[in-house]
Amino acid sequence: SQQGEEDPQALSIQEGENATMNCSYKTSINNLQWYRQNSGRGLVHLILIRSNEREKHSGRLRVTLDTSKKSSSLLITASRAADTASYFCATSHYNQGGKLIFGQGTELSVKP
Amino acid sequence: NAGVTQTPKFRVLKTGQSMTLLCAQDMNHEYMYWYRQDPGMGLRLIHYSVGEGTTAKGEVPDGYNVSRLKKQNFLLGLESAAPSQTSVYFCASSPRLAGGPREQFFGPGTRLTVL
Repeated sequence: SQQGEEDPQALSIQEGENATMNCSYKTSINNLQWYRQNSGRGLVHLILIRSNEREKHSGRLRVTLDTSKKSSSLLITASRAADTASYFCATSHYNQGGKLIFGQGTELSVKP
Repeated sequence: NAGVTQTPKFRVLKTGQSMTLLCAQDMNHEYMYWYRQDPGMGLRLIHYSVGEGTTAKGEVPDGYNVSRLKKQNFLLGLESAAPSQTSVYFCASSPRLAGGPREQFFGPGTRLTVL
């Protein structure tokens, strides 16, 4: 069964605003990853946070991980119209052959 | 580097027909995966492979078979297509590294319609 649950399912904001997406999971993880998918395209890896890390930054992206609450959040600061896409969290678990369990995604729309 | 490529990009099948989707990667990755993506369902793992000659079932394997005869290729077969297999199929690969699973690299997808 799928482990990742994301909210909101859809988010619409204006350019320049910040976008926050949340992900919850059910069992212990090795790491948690965030991916982006533009319409009609494959997924592209954004950032990976390990289970022993609490926060990570990459450009305008900030990811937090709270293993006690089994949740993560992705913050995109100063959003741009080009950030319009679907965002997925994915969890990896020990001894699972590299498999990832994906959430259902958040559809982000950034209006110019 | 082409990364991960998938053929074909689009295909329409009639119920009961068979087909094979081909995935190729040029990054020398050990792990390869097949997913399907349906509206509102995220990605679900069909089958995966941790190395040449080995395959394993994922979350939704029924109705599909796979083969990994060469390290760079991972084939997904539908023996008797059903309308429920209408979906977008993604292949991905990742390296085997110490410290646990890393990022997966995705192909552009194959849009399959079964009538």
